[in-house]
Amino acid sequence: QQQVKQSPQSLIVQKGGISIINCAYENTAFDYFPWYQQFPGKGPALLIAIRPDVSEKKEGRFTISFNKSAKQFSLHIMDSQPGDSATYFCAATLGRGATNKLIFGTGTLLAVQP
Amino acid sequence: NAGVTQTPKFQVLKTGQSMTLQCAQDMNHEYMSWYRQDPGMGLRLIHYSVGAGITDQGEVPNGYNVSRSTTEDFPLRLLSAAPSQTSVYFCASSYDRLSYEQYFGPGTRLTVT
Repeated sequence: QQQVKQSPQSLIVQKGGISIINCAYENTAFDYFPWYQQFPGKGPALLIAIRPDVSEKKEGRFTISFNKSAKQFSLHIMDSQPGDSATYFCAATLGRGATNKLIFGTGTLLAVQP
Repeated sequence: NAGVTQTPKFQVLKTGQSMTLQCAQDMNHEYMSWYRQDPGMGLRLIHYSVGAGITDQGEVPNGYNVSRSTTEDFPLRLLSAAPSQTSVYFCASSYDRLSYEQYFGPGTRLTVT
């Protein structure tokens, strides 16, 4: 049972363009939504995260947009660079005192062409 | 500070063989976990531990055992390997069970023939 659905599976963007990756969740008890970035041969690393009480969070060229009513959130990478080429995973977890167990999406392979 | 380390990086097993994937962290983190990563399926939680002596099952625990005798180490045991366990395995840790950021190791690529 996939509780976090991610799309697209792969994405090709030209250098300088905007990369957009979308995720949808089912469990309204989720209260923390991180994005992880994974380079080939490496483990995932936390990129940016958001809580459902805000609609947007920006860190440099990376922005999370969150739509609580639609149960959707997305990652926008502005001015995409070849160094951003990686696999991106959205995730969700229960908070409020529950043990932090990450539920991951299926991943998006991003290729930024020079 | 080495962070989360995993050994070996690569392993090939025959069906029915057993082995232990090692995971260690030097950040004094209470929470540790094991994930497997398969194409098109993201990362799925196998087992986790909220502290030394305490472990629990995740989403896909069948065929795997864990123990946590120290804060630093969290080995994953495959008692009788099956081709369905061919995967990339990641160990992760966080400060405690309520901490949101998890730190991942570099992974172990396991092939079962």
